[in-house]
Amino acid sequence: EAAVTQSPRNKVAVTGGKVTLSCNQTNNHNNMYWYRQDTGHGLRLIHYSYGAGSTEKGDIPDGYKASRPSQENFSLILELATPSQTSVYFCASGDVGWGQNTLYFGAGTRLSVL
Amino acid sequence: QQKVQQSPESLIVPEGGMASLNCTSSDRNVDYFWWYRQHSGKSPKMLMSIFSNGEKEEGRFTVHLNKASLHTSLHIRDSQPSDSALYLCAASNQGGRALIFGTGTTVSVSP
Repeated sequence: EAAVTQSPRNKVAVTGGKVTLSCNQTNNHNNMYWYRQDTGHGLRLIHYSYGAGSTEKGDIPDGYKASRPSQENFSLILELATPSQTSVYFCASGDVGWGQNTLYFGAGTRLSVL
Repeated sequence: QQKVQQSPESLIVPEGGMASLNCTSSDRNVDYFWWYRQHSGKSPKMLMSIFSNGEKEEGRFTVHLNKASLHTSLHIRDSQPSDSALYLCAASNQGGRALIFGTGTTVSVSP
């Protein structure tokens, strides 16, 4: 099964601070994704990437940046963290192709912004 | 506005009973649907996918898809306590590379 590793698993940040969430996948998937999960909202797409060097905005990109320096790594950056960004963040990777978009998720990062 | 709507929000099913979950997309460009299952404290895992009109069965799980109404449903028969989880519906369009998820249905199977 596809392996997606997120770090850190838990993070406490201060308001206005910079936070970087990291994600690594070892299955050579072209597509990688960042979602956040909040009660009552399901999974909401923040940013995604088609491959190294590319990033695309998802449904809720405001306040977030993304970086895909290599096929394996995809980071989510909060330049000025706010309490509203307290959430569980999931990274995912998936196969490319028509209808072949099964996503494999990492274990998640629980972020608290105080 | 959520593009993928799920109902009900939560469901309590007796052990051995049938659970029925619904999902509809408001995006007419959607062609493909997935069902993911997420146990408490864990990450989502793909349960079933359906891309064509009709029905697909895998063990105790059956999915239906009506492309004209952009509606899919998931049915779990002979529900087990291990089926207690959050069930997420996801959709994408042809060639689309991003899955959009609904808010989920929480299923609780009571012994």
